[in-house]
Amino acid sequence: EVQLVQSGAEVKKPGESLKISCKGSGYSFTSYWIGWVRQMPGKGLEWMGIIYPGDSDTRYSPSFQGQVTISADKSISTAYLQWSSLKASDTAMYYCARLEWELSGFDYWGQGTLVTVSS
Amino acid sequence: EIVLTQSPGTLSLSPGERATLSCRASQSVSSSYLAWYQQKPGQAPRLLIYGASSRATGIPDRFSGSGSGTDFTLTISRLEPEDFAVYYCQQYGSSPPLFTFGPGTKVDIK
Repeated sequence: EVQLVQSGAEVKKPGESLKISCKGSGYSFTSYWIGWVRQMPGKGLEWMGIIYPGDSDTRYSPSFQGQVTISADKSISTAYLQWSSLKASDTAMYYCARLEWELSGFDYWGQGTLVTVSS
Repeated sequence: EIVLTQSPGTLSLSPGERATLSCRASQSVSSSYLAWYQQKPGQAPRLLIYGASSRATGIPDRFSGSGSGTDFTLTISRLEPEDFAVYYCQQYGSSPPLFTFGPGTKVDIK
Protein backbone atom coordinates (compact mmCIF):
# COMPACT_ATOMS: atom_id res chain seq x y z
CA GLU A 1 0.00 0.00 0.00
CA VAL A 2 1.37 3.38 -1.04
CA GLN A 3 1.63 5.75 1.90
CA LEU A 4 3.04 9.20 2.48
CA VAL A 5 3.36 10.01 6.16
CA GLN A 6 4.15 13.57 7.14
CA SER A 7 5.69 14.92 10.31
CA GLY A 8 3.52 16.45 13.00
CA ALA A 9 2.14 19.92 13.52
CA GLU A 10 4.58 22.71 14.33
CA VAL A 11 4.23 25.98 16.20
CA LYS A 12 7.04 28.42 15.54
CA LYS A 13 7.92 32.08 16.03
CA PRO A 14 8.66 34.47 13.19
CA GLY A 15 12.30 34.28 12.15
CA GLU A 16 12.74 30.67 13.25
CA SER A 17 13.76 27.89 10.90
CA LEU A 18 11.79 24.73 10.20
CA LYS A 19 12.09 21.48 8.26
CA ILE A 20 9.07 19.22 7.79
CA SER A 21 9.17 15.74 6.35
CA CYS A 22 7.25 13.31 4.18
CA LYS A 23 8.14 9.61 4.31
CA GLY A 24 7.09 7.38 1.45
CA SER A 25 6.47 3.65 1.62
CA GLY A 26 4.88 0.90 -0.42
CA TYR A 27 6.47 1.93 -3.71
CA SER A 28 9.84 2.75 -5.24
CA PHE A 29 10.50 6.14 -3.66
CA THR A 30 13.27 7.00 -6.11
CA SER A 31 11.07 6.47 -9.16
CA TYR A 32 8.39 9.09 -8.55
CA TRP A 33 8.49 12.85 -8.11
CA ILE A 34 7.17 14.22 -4.82
CA GLY A 35 5.40 17.56 -4.77
CA TRP A 36 4.58 20.02 -2.02
CA VAL A 37 1.30 21.93 -1.89
CA ARG A 38 0.35 24.79 0.41
CA GLN A 39 -3.15 25.46 1.69
CA MET A 40 -3.55 28.62 3.71
CA PRO A 41 -6.42 28.73 6.22
CA GLY A 42 -9.74 28.63 4.41
CA LYS A 43 -8.06 28.93 1.01
CA GLY A 44 -7.28 26.83 -2.02
CA LEU A 45 -4.35 24.69 -3.11
CA GLU A 46 -1.05 26.19 -4.27
CA TRP A 47 1.69 24.15 -5.91
CA MET A 48 5.09 24.91 -4.39
CA GLY A 49 7.52 22.58 -6.11
CA ILE A 50 8.55 19.03 -6.88
CA ILE A 51 11.60 16.87 -6.35
CA TYR A 52 12.78 13.64 -7.94
CA PRO A 53 14.36 11.69 -5.10
CA GLY A 54 16.33 9.54 -7.52
CA ASP A 55 18.69 12.39 -8.37
CA SER A 56 17.28 15.32 -6.30
CA ASP A 57 16.28 17.24 -9.43
CA THR A 58 14.02 20.01 -8.10
CA ARG A 59 11.60 22.44 -9.72
CA TYR A 60 9.99 25.34 -7.91
CA SER A 61 6.97 27.48 -8.54
CA PRO A 62 8.17 31.06 -9.15
CA SER A 63 5.97 32.09 -6.22
CA PHE A 64 8.00 29.95 -3.83
CA GLN A 65 11.48 30.02 -5.40
CA GLY A 66 13.91 31.40 -2.83
CA GLN A 67 11.31 31.21 -0.06
CA VAL A 68 11.59 27.49 0.71
CA THR A 69 13.97 24.62 0.03
CA ILE A 70 12.83 21.19 -1.09
CA SER A 71 15.16 18.25 -0.56
CA ALA A 72 15.12 14.49 -0.24
CA ASP A 73 17.08 11.68 1.39
CA LYS A 74 16.52 8.61 -0.74
CA SER A 75 18.27 6.37 1.77
CA ILE A 76 15.33 6.84 4.14
CA SER A 77 12.63 7.50 1.51
CA THR A 78 11.92 10.95 2.88
CA ALA A 79 11.32 14.32 1.27
CA TYR A 80 11.62 17.61 3.08
CA LEU A 81 10.34 21.16 2.94
CA GLN A 82 12.27 23.76 4.86
CA TRP A 83 12.29 27.42 5.74
CA SER A 84 15.26 29.41 6.99
CA SER A 85 13.24 32.28 8.43
CA LEU A 86 9.52 31.81 8.93
CA LYS A 87 6.95 34.56 8.58
CA ALA A 88 3.43 34.73 9.94
CA SER A 89 2.21 34.41 6.36
CA ASP A 90 3.75 30.90 6.21
CA THR A 91 0.96 29.71 8.52
CA ALA A 92 -0.76 26.99 6.50
CA MET A 93 -1.32 23.30 5.98
CA TYR A 94 1.39 21.75 3.84
CA TYR A 95 0.79 18.56 1.89
CA CYS A 96 3.23 16.31 0.13
CA ALA A 97 1.93 14.26 -2.76
CA ARG A 98 3.27 11.73 -5.22
CA LEU A 99 3.29 12.87 -8.82
CA GLU A 100 2.31 10.27 -11.38
CA TRP A 101 3.56 11.78 -14.65
CA GLU A 102 1.44 9.45 -16.73
CA LEU A 103 -1.59 11.01 -15.09
CA SER A 104 -0.07 14.51 -14.86
CA GLY A 105 -1.57 14.52 -11.41
CA PHE A 106 -0.88 13.78 -7.78
CA ASP A 107 -2.23 10.34 -7.01
CA TYR A 108 -1.26 9.83 -3.36
CA TRP A 109 -1.19 12.49 -0.67
CA GLY A 110 0.21 12.81 2.80
CA GLN A 111 -2.09 13.70 5.68
CA GLY A 112 -0.74 17.24 5.85
CA THR A 113 1.45 19.14 8.30
CA LEU A 114 -0.02 22.22 9.95
CA VAL A 115 2.55 24.96 10.43
CA THR A 116 1.58 27.85 12.69
CA VAL A 117 3.86 30.88 12.89
CA SER A 118 2.97 33.30 15.64
CA SER A 119 4.78 35.56 18.03
CA GLU B 1 1.35 31.35 -16.81
CA ILE B 2 -1.94 29.54 -17.29
CA VAL B 3 -4.65 30.70 -14.90
CA LEU B 4 -7.56 28.40 -14.08
CA THR B 5 -10.97 29.82 -13.21
CA GLN B 6 -13.68 27.64 -11.67
CA SER B 7 -17.38 28.31 -11.60
CA PRO B 8 -19.59 28.55 -9.78
CA GLY B 9 -17.82 29.34 -6.54
CA THR B 10 -20.48 27.48 -4.60
CA LEU B 11 -23.08 25.03 -5.86
CA SER B 12 -26.00 24.27 -3.56
CA LEU B 13 -27.74 21.04 -4.47
CA SER B 14 -29.69 18.20 -2.91
CA PRO B 15 -28.63 14.53 -2.77
CA GLY B 16 -29.62 12.77 -5.96
CA GLU B 17 -29.24 15.88 -8.10
CA ARG B 18 -26.72 16.34 -10.89
CA ALA B 19 -23.73 18.62 -10.34
CA THR B 20 -21.92 20.35 -13.19
CA LEU B 21 -18.66 22.12 -12.35
CA SER B 22 -16.69 24.24 -14.79
CA CYS B 23 -12.96 24.87 -15.11
CA ARG B 24 -11.78 27.43 -17.65
CA ALA B 25 -8.14 28.01 -18.59
CA SER B 26 -6.63 31.31 -19.72
CA GLN B 27 -4.81 29.44 -22.52
CA SER B 28 -5.36 26.14 -24.21
CA VAL B 29 -4.49 23.14 -22.04
CA SER B 30 -3.75 19.70 -23.40
CA SER B 31 -6.53 17.37 -22.32
CA SER B 32 -3.86 14.97 -21.15
CA TYR B 33 -2.79 17.46 -18.53
CA LEU B 34 -6.05 18.37 -16.78
CA ALA B 35 -7.00 16.76 -13.47
CA TRP B 36 -9.73 17.12 -10.87
CA TYR B 37 -9.50 16.63 -7.10
CA GLN B 38 -12.00 16.36 -4.27
CA GLN B 39 -11.23 17.71 -0.83
CA LYS B 40 -13.40 17.15 2.22
CA PRO B 41 -13.00 19.20 5.42
CA GLY B 42 -9.96 18.15 7.41
CA GLN B 43 -8.74 15.78 4.69
CA ALA B 44 -6.09 15.82 2.02
CA PRO B 45 -7.21 16.20 -1.58
CA ARG B 46 -8.05 13.06 -3.55
CA LEU B 47 -7.41 12.59 -7.25
CA LEU B 48 -10.70 12.00 -9.08
CA ILE B 49 -10.05 12.54 -12.77
CA TYR B 50 -6.89 12.71 -14.86
CA GLY B 51 -6.38 13.34 -18.55
CA ALA B 52 -9.60 15.39 -18.43
CA SER B 53 -11.84 12.33 -18.57
CA SER B 54 -10.22 9.25 -17.00
CA ARG B 55 -11.31 8.22 -13.53
CA ALA B 56 -8.58 7.52 -11.01
CA THR B 57 -8.44 4.17 -9.27
CA GLY B 58 -11.47 3.50 -7.07
CA ILE B 59 -13.47 6.53 -8.19
CA PRO B 60 -17.19 5.76 -8.69
CA ASP B 61 -18.60 6.07 -12.19
CA ARG B 62 -21.01 8.81 -11.14
CA PHE B 63 -17.97 11.09 -11.54
CA SER B 64 -17.11 12.02 -15.11
CA GLY B 65 -14.89 14.58 -16.76
CA SER B 66 -15.00 16.14 -20.18
CA GLY B 67 -13.74 19.06 -22.19
CA SER B 68 -10.83 20.26 -24.24
CA GLY B 69 -8.87 23.38 -25.05
CA THR B 70 -9.84 25.97 -22.46
CA ASP B 71 -13.13 24.56 -21.15
CA PHE B 72 -13.41 21.52 -18.93
CA THR B 73 -16.28 20.06 -16.91
CA LEU B 74 -16.62 17.74 -13.95
CA THR B 75 -20.03 16.12 -13.68
CA ILE B 76 -21.41 14.21 -10.73
CA SER B 77 -24.44 12.39 -12.11
CA ARG B 78 -26.31 11.82 -8.84
CA LEU B 79 -24.96 13.41 -5.69
CA GLU B 80 -24.37 11.11 -2.76
CA PRO B 81 -24.08 12.54 0.79
CA GLU B 82 -20.31 11.92 0.73
CA ASP B 83 -19.86 14.02 -2.43
CA PHE B 84 -20.45 17.33 -0.69
CA ALA B 85 -16.94 18.78 -0.74
CA VAL B 86 -14.67 21.23 -2.54
CA TYR B 87 -13.49 20.35 -6.02
CA TYR B 88 -10.33 21.67 -7.66
CA CYS B 89 -9.10 21.45 -11.21
CA GLN B 90 -5.36 21.35 -11.87
CA GLN B 91 -3.29 21.63 -15.00
CA TYR B 92 0.26 20.74 -15.93
CA GLY B 93 2.14 23.06 -18.24
CA SER B 94 5.60 22.99 -19.76
CA SER B 95 6.58 26.42 -18.43
CA PRO B 96 6.71 27.63 -14.83
CA PRO B 97 4.76 27.19 -12.75
CA LEU B 98 4.54 23.61 -13.90
CA PHE B 99 1.32 22.97 -12.01
CA THR B 100 -1.55 25.30 -11.22
CA PHE B 101 -4.79 24.72 -9.35
CA GLY B 102 -8.09 26.45 -9.83
CA PRO B 103 -9.66 28.29 -6.88
CA GLY B 104 -12.15 25.49 -6.24
CA THR B 105 -15.91 24.95 -6.31
CA LYS B 106 -17.70 24.10 -3.10
CA VAL B 107 -20.62 21.73 -3.48
CA ASP B 108 -22.84 22.04 -0.44
CA ILE B 109 -26.17 20.67 0.64
CA LYS B 110 -29.20 22.75 -0.28
